[in-house]
This record gives sequence, C-alpha cells and structure tokens, in this order.
Amino acid sequence: NAGVMQNPRHLVRRRGQEARLRCSPMKGHSHVYWYRQLPEEGLKFMVYLQKENIIDESGMPKERFSAEFPKEGPSILRIQQVVRGDSAAYFCASSPEAPRTNYGYTFGSGTRLTVV
Amino acid sequence: GESVGLHLPTLSVQEGDNSIINCAYSNSASDYFIWYKQESGKGPQFIIDIRSNMDKRQGQRVTVLLNKTVKHLSLQIAATQPGDSAVYFCAEFASGGGADGLTFGKGTHLIIQP
Repeated sequence: NAGVMQNPRHLVRRRGQEARLRCSPMKGHSHVYWYRQLPEEGLKFMVYLQKENIIDESGMPKERFSAEFPKEGPSILRIQQVVRGDSAAYFCASSPEAPRTNYGYTFGSGTRLTVV
Repeated sequence: GESVGLHLPTLSVQEGDNSIINCAYSNSASDYFIWYKQESGKGPQFIIDIRSNMDKRQGQRVTVLLNKTVKHLSLQIAATQPGDSAVYFCAEFASGGGADGLTFGKGTHLIIQP
C-alpha cells in the first residue's frame, strides 16, 4: 500500500499562472481532504470531497481555487492566477469512511508551492 | 480565531527525559482529538487519538490526557529519543456541525538534545 500520493512534491509558478496539485488516496479510501499549511503554522482545512462530489468547501477561498475528485483518476486542487500569498504546503489526506464515523485520516507528503 | 492552540512554540528536552506538550481548545462541541507528528518536509503522521468520553489513553511511549473541564489536552512522550524531534500538532473535530475537516493548532517544535 503506497499510502496517499501527492505530486508534484515541489511546484514553482510565476504570478498569474495556474497551479495543479494532484492527490491519489490510499487504496480503498473514497474520501479526500485538502489542507493548506503556511510557514510556522498548523494545517487549515480547505475542502472535503468524495468521488464526483464536493461535500464541504467551507475552508476554500471563494475565488481562484477549485477542487475535484473525478470518478477515475486523482483528486485535483487547482489554483488559478496564483499570487505570492498562495505559496504554502498543500496536503491531501484520505480516509475510508466519512469524517464523522471513522477518522482514519492518512496524510500525504504534500506539495510545496512557491509563487515567484 | 484559532479554536485549538498550543502554549509553547518550542520545547527542548534531554534525550531520555520525558516531555509534555500542551494544547488548549475552545470549542466545547469538539469530541475527538488527535495528536500528529510532522517531520521536516513530510506530512502529519498520526500518533494517538482520544474521544471526549475518555480522559486518558496510552500508546507506545505516548499518553494523551484530556481535561474537558478546562478544555486542555496534553501529549506525554516517555524516554524521548532523537527520532522524536519534530513539530507536534493537536487537532480537534466537532461531530455536531461545522466543517468536515480537522482544526489544527499551530504546533510545538520538540527538540531532543543529546
């Protein structure tokens, strides 16, 4: 079991470009969560998805950010027209059941986004 | 503001000593708490969890204590080893509503000195 796989590990984008972050959940996990971590801070919840559905996006910025978890393939976090303030580590986690029943979260190693 | 926070940003202990990392939370509805360890360049790694119907839970070299009266959580690590050096986060979850994600504190950097 390879665990939660995120790629790329490091991503550099110029201001105004688009950033695409990918997350493949653990085998058997159908629930995916995205978190953002700014330097010297804890993780902040962004969005919770199941296959083809966004369940909770209460932590997602209203503009420029979107997430999807298609029927086939990894979950994608997309940031359009990136700004320097988007520079952070983005972590994906997956779990086998919904968060209010089984909290078996497993985190990936993250994608470090740097906007120059 | 933050509903979960830590009292000390950095904690330095001698190898072999016990360490205690503290965490305060403010959401009375929180009923599940997790301690994570994060090493440099890696994602958070689960250490131990506790539900609100318990006040203590033990794992291998780790113990989590929960005091719901004062909304306080602590992680005790016994006989610390160099590999314990990392940032430790507490996280909480409220099953009664709110976001479906965990709420994290800012973290305590544990430094193990030889």
